[in-house]
Amino acid sequence: AQSVAQPEDQVNVAEGNPLTVKCTYSVSGNPYLFWYVQYPNRGLQFLLKYITGDNLVKGSYGFEAEFNKSQTSFHLKKPSALVSDSALYFCAVRDVRRDDKIIFGKGTRLHILP
Amino acid sequence: KAGVTQTPRYLIKTRGQQVTLSCSPISGHRSVSWYQQTPGQGLQFLFEYFSETQRNKGNFPGRFSGRQFSNSRSEMNVSTLELGDSALYLCASSSQTSGGAIDTQYFGPGTRLTVL
Repeated sequence: AQSVAQPEDQVNVAEGNPLTVKCTYSVSGNPYLFWYVQYPNRGLQFLLKYITGDNLVKGSYGFEAEFNKSQTSFHLKKPSALVSDSALYFCAVRDVRRDDKIIFGKGTRLHILP
Repeated sequence: KAGVTQTPRYLIKTRGQQVTLSCSPISGHRSVSWYQQTPGQGLQFLFEYFSETQRNKGNFPGRFSGRQFSNSRSEMNVSTLELGDSALYLCASSSQTSGGAIDTQYFGPGTRLTVL
């Protein structure tokens, strides 16, 4: 069955430092991978996605993610963190060859320390 | 384009009652999905509708149901409410890729349901 794991419940990063939020997945076919961000009392906002092509995907607000097929990972990265990046981040996977359901990870809370 | 809208934003109900939540997708989007978000369980998929047909369903009891109208607006209904149904209910709409798969989902702000 398809699944997605975000191994860290919380990540703390000092402002200006690079950040990484980890995500690993398991699907039977080729995955569609997504990152979303959720600010307090708001719905989820789309950040970026990987479907095919270049393994490095660039998205909104300076975020990027690298698709690594051999490690089945899709980690979210940003070169220089801002306090305003503090939020809840969700990784999601969709197995379009199977049931086309989208499965979300548990979420990682990112704290950027001033 | 206007985003996904959900009404109402907040609801307070008592056990045993039923509730109907509404979602209006982005114009042109024919797919609408519903999710339940709780602190303990995270985001859980409820169901997905495409062109008025239920395309996928999560592992929720039959008390949870939904439908989609010809204008793509969707409603979800929860009957015989239980305390554990207290959650943020999120609706997402999406278009299709050229290959027919569901593309990126865009979420509404959610409806916060509290069951007393």
